[in-house]
Amino acid sequence: EAGVTQSPTHLIKTRGQQATLRCSPISGHTSVYWYQQALGLGLQFLLWYDEGEERNRGNFPPRFSGRQFPNYSSELNVNALELEDSALYLCASSLVRPPQPQHFGDGTRLSIL
Amino acid sequence: QKEVEQDPGPLSVPEGAIVSLNCTYSNSAFQYFMWYRQYSRKGPELLMYTYSSGNKEDGRFTAQVDKSSKYISLFIRDSQPSDSATYLCAMSAGAGANNLFFGTGTRLTVIP
Repeated sequence: EAGVTQSPTHLIKTRGQQATLRCSPISGHTSVYWYQQALGLGLQFLLWYDEGEERNRGNFPPRFSGRQFPNYSSELNVNALELEDSALYLCASSLVRPPQPQHFGDGTRLSIL
Repeated sequence: QKEVEQDPGPLSVPEGAIVSLNCTYSNSAFQYFMWYRQYSRKGPELLMYTYSSGNKEDGRFTAQVDKSSKYISLFIRDSQPSDSATYLCAMSAGAGANNLFFGTGTRLTVIP
């Protein structure tokens, strides 16, 4: 069974640009979660999508947004990039009814120059 | 105060030792508790998943949850060099609040 896949592996941008990160969940999983893992800050929850709807978002500014497609894949968009957005962005997927553990991809390393 | 506290280590043990990793938390609504292992340049890999209080064993790994003390533990028996990684505790309230709250991770090195 294929795991969660994320692309690209590494993304280099400059301040003010926009970045798009992509995630394909495990087959059959309807929920996709996005987390940011910044140096020294640990993993912080960004967004949760289930059945195409945004269900919850973490304490991040509105320039972090995303969507989930009918095939349950998802993309994360970060606008007006700032230096502090440099981090590993991790996607996870799960079933939610009943609640099941989240399984993670290997992430996209976003570097802001 | 952070919702989840975890000793960042680093922790260095000889091969074959028993390792104890711990987290404390403040939110009594947490019901689902997980331990993940993360190797360098990889995503977190699920090790253990428990609901509410109690113990769960899987091979060399044992997870304990004490909700009355808001304290969870992961024990690794007969530790191996391949266990060298960062260990993350995570928890959620479930029931529509599925987002995970993570500890900062404990870096473990098992010396051959």
